[in-house]
Amino acid sequence: DAGVTQSPTHLIKTRGQQVTLRCSPKSGHDTVSWYQQALGQGPQFIFQYYEEEERQRGNFPDRFSGHQFPNYSSELNVNALLLGDSALYLCASSLRSQPQHFGDGTRLSIL
Amino acid sequence: GQQLNQSPQSMFIQEGEDVSMNCTSSSIFNTWLWYKQDPGEGPVLLIALYKAGELTSNGRLTAQFGITRKDSFLNISASIPSDVGIYFCAGQLGAGNNRKLIWGLGTSLAVNP
Repeated sequence: DAGVTQSPTHLIKTRGQQVTLRCSPKSGHDTVSWYQQALGQGPQFIFQYYEEEERQRGNFPDRFSGHQFPNYSSELNVNALLLGDSALYLCASSLRSQPQHFGDGTRLSIL
Repeated sequence: GQQLNQSPQSMFIQEGEDVSMNCTSSSIFNTWLWYKQDPGEGPVLLIALYKAGELTSNGRLTAQFGITRKDSFLNISASIPSDVGIYFCAGQLGAGNNRKLIWGLGTSLAVNP
C-alpha cells in the first residue's frame, strides 16, 4: 500500500520562474494539504483541497495556487519565485477526520 | 506564520534516559498531534490526542492533551539511539475536510549510546 508520494524530490529554479509540484495521496485518502517547511522550522500550512476545491488557506500570497484532480492527486504551483520560497514542500493526505499522513517532500532551491 | 511554543529546542541525553517535551499555545485546539521527522523525510505520526485530559501511549511514548486544550506534552521512556530526530507538536483547527495544522518549531533529540 503506497503512502503519500511526491515528485520531484529535488528541484532547482531561478528567481522569477514558475514551478509545479505534484502529490499522490495515500490510497483511500480524499483530502490533500500542502505545507512549506523552511530549514530549522516547523511546517507552515499553505492550503487544503477536498472535492477539487480549496477548503482552507494559510497566510500565503496568491502566487501560491493549487489544484486537485478527480483521482484526488494534487499540484502546488508557485509563480514568480523568490529566494525566500526555498524550502521543503510537504504534501499530506487524509480521510475525513483521521490524522494526516505526509510524503517525504520536494526540496525546492531558488538561485 | 503562526507557530506553537515548543520546548526544549534541543536535547542531548544518554541512552536509557527518559525525555520530556511540551507545547503551549494561546489558541484552543480540538486535536493535538505529535510527529517525528528524520533527515530527508516527511513527518511521521506518533500519537494523536482528541479529548482534553486524554493520556495516550504508543510503546515507550506517552502524550497528554492538556485540560485547557492549549497545551500538550510528550514523554519518551528509556531512550534508544533510533529515537534521534526532530519531534514536532501540531495543533488542529477545524475538522474533517476543512482543517489545518499549526506546528511547533520542533525539539531536536540526540541520544548518546
